[in-house]
Amino acid sequence: EAQVTQNPRYLITVTGKKLTVTCSQNMNHEYMSWYRQDPGLGLRQIYYSMNVEVTDKGDVPEGYKVSRKEKRNFPLILESPSPNQTSLYFCASSSPWEGSTDTQYFGPGTRLTVL
Amino acid sequence: LAKTTQPISMDSYEGQEVNITCSHNNIATNDYITWYQQFPSQGPRFIIQGYKTKVTNEVASLFIPADRKSSTLSLPRVSLSDTAVYYCLVGDRGNFNKFYFGSGTKLNVKP
Repeated sequence: EAQVTQNPRYLITVTGKKLTVTCSQNMNHEYMSWYRQDPGLGLRQIYYSMNVEVTDKGDVPEGYKVSRKEKRNFPLILESPSPNQTSLYFCASSSPWEGSTDTQYFGPGTRLTVL
Repeated sequence: LAKTTQPISMDSYEGQEVNITCSHNNIATNDYITWYQQFPSQGPRFIIQGYKTKVTNEVASLFIPADRKSSTLSLPRVSLSDTAVYYCLVGDRGNFNKFYFGSGTKLNVKP
């Protein structure tokens, strides 16, 4: 089954404790992206990657890091989480060879709470 | 980066046709218009995409006027299960696929 998976789905942590949210897709997509969703603010893009070893900042990259060492994986790293990073996070993937990169497949989301 | 403006919310009743309009005044020549649907606590799901005029699939229709500064998502005969947030997205290919979703439109379908 074609899908985007994220782990963990729920996470409660404390300020300053480094964490990684994993994202994996099995569709051989070139493009992957991370978004955060907060009430009243909709979806905001954090980082995206056009392919392996190619990443770039979205609208709200501060406090986050990403890496793309393999095509299928795109982890989101919070080196020193703060309470303002409490949010619902979504990973997405797409391919320009399947219509356009605008047609993104989203993961189920990771709800992060930073105390 | 082309941004979009949508109504915050809309109400409808089962069986009615619903039209949600999105404004994107700064749309670029190569940009496509894409609509997504999101249920609570789930990731957005692609509904429809278009460049100009009209596009129809089994779920919805998308109407885009000649100037492309707006678009309208049309959902025929909605049901309670269509209650969701609908996002209009304009792809900014000039920025190598940096996307702006906006806040979306919360559609409430009543019985």
